[in-house]
Amino acid sequence: QVPLVESGGGLVKPGGSLRLSCAASGITFRDYYMTWIRQAPGKGLEWVSYISSSGNTIYYADSVKGRFTISRDNAKNSLYLQMNSLRVEDSAVYYCARQNSLGYTSASRHWGQGTLVTVSS
Amino acid sequence: QSALTQPASVSGSPGQSITISCTGTSNDVGTYNYVSWYQQHPGKAPKLMIYEVSNRPSGVPDRFSGSKSGNTASLTISGLQAEDEADYYCSSYTIRSTDVFGTGTKVTVL
Repeated sequence: QVPLVESGGGLVKPGGSLRLSCAASGITFRDYYMTWIRQAPGKGLEWVSYISSSGNTIYYADSVKGRFTISRDNAKNSLYLQMNSLRVEDSAVYYCARQNSLGYTSASRHWGQGTLVTVSS
Repeated sequence: QSALTQPASVSGSPGQSITISCTGTSNDVGTYNYVSWYQQHPGKAPKLMIYEVSNRPSGVPDRFSGSKSGNTASLTISGLQAEDEADYYCSSYTIRSTDVFGTGTKVTVL
């Protein structure tokens, strides 16, 4: 059983929007920081954003700040990423991941299978 | 935030040991012990191999070990096995309260 399942990816034109979702099952969700990480085709990993268990602490990579919004619904065991003003360079597989331990230690222990976002005209 | 620097490729024969370096700055690796290492096989999600510089999650073989000196962290794989052939990435917390990944290293088992 995959503990995290992303959805919402697809093909979108430059300047468009997408909302990614990540559903957790079989693992504790509400007590842990959650992270979005992306990987462009054939490229390395890029950290995108993280959110605290309560949702009160949020940080973004400079490359997405002001365009992407991370959020969570602990009642639904779900994480979200609202992506606006999409650019070609945002094309990537987007992974959601849960921290290894309580608090933030930059260690993502549980990962989803990823959802592909393609930004192209 | 610039990516942490890793060698593009490292290779070794079965049974040998290899070490992958991950060089950052005093803004990340040099200041925080929140350095992690991930293994990624083609088409798969990354897998956490080392966290907080030198700790192994349950289920990760003790052939994998991590260390840090100054601004450089290292991952050592002892007793290299065929299934260790994969891409490896380091990551670190930064003074901006963000994370940064390394450039990635392709490990080839000869």
